[in-house]
Amino acid sequence: ELKVEQNPLFLSMQEGKNYTIYCNYSTTSDRLYWYRQDPGKSLESLFVLLSNGAVKQEGRLMASLDTKARLSTLHITAAVHDLSATYFCAVDMWNNNDMRFGAGTRLTVKP
Amino acid sequence: KAGVTQTPRYLIKTRGQQVTLSCSPISGHRSVSWYQQTPGQGLQFLFEYFSETQRNKGNFPGRFSGRQFSNSRSEMNVSTLELGDSALYLCASSLVGMRGETQYFGPGTRLLVL
Repeated sequence: ELKVEQNPLFLSMQEGKNYTIYCNYSTTSDRLYWYRQDPGKSLESLFVLLSNGAVKQEGRLMASLDTKARLSTLHITAAVHDLSATYFCAVDMWNNNDMRFGAGTRLTVKP
Repeated sequence: KAGVTQTPRYLIKTRGQQVTLSCSPISGHRSVSWYQQTPGQGLQFLFEYFSETQRNKGNFPGRFSGRQFSNSRSEMNVSTLELGDSALYLCASSLVGMRGETQYFGPGTRLLVL
C-alpha cells in the first residue's frame, strides 16, 4: 500500500530563516503535488512535479522531486509570516489511478 | 473568471440520511475531482470525473457516488450517512484531468453528521 510521509509535521520558524519540508513515498510514482492550506480554508495548488529531477520555484518556495529516492522537498527561503499555513504533498498511484496525501506540515513563521 | 463554487457551504444531517453536494468548475474546465478532509484520516481522494465519466476513484465505499453533467458541473452523493462522514468536502477543477495539471479548489462544503 502506498504510504506518503511528511516531516516534520509541525515546524516553527523565525522570519528570515530557511528550512526544508520532506515528503517520502513508498511506491513508484512520477507525479507529485504540493498544496497549501490556510486555517479554515480550502486547498491551493502550489507545484506539480512530473519527472525525476524536476525543480519548480515560486517566490520563497522551491520544490524538487527525486523519483529514485522517492523523495520530494519543499524548501523555504527567508521565511515570512505570510507563509504560515499547512503544506501537503500528494502522490499519484500510477497503477490504480488513486492519489494519496501526506499528513501535512503545519508551518508557523514567527517574527 | 469565476472560481470553483460549491454548494451548500455548510450542511447538517443525521445518521442514515443521504446528502448531495454540488460543484461548479471554472468555465472551460472539464475535469472535476472530489476530496474528503477529516481530522482523523486527513485528505483523501474520492473520485474524478471527466466528460461525464468517472475516470479515477479512491478507496471509498459504494455509499459515495458522483456524477458529472454535460456542462461539467458535478455532484457527489453520500447515502446512509455515518458519523464518520463528517468532513470538509472539497472539489477541484482542471482543464482536462488531474494528472500533472494545476487544480483549482472550491471553498468546500462542511458536512456535519449527527
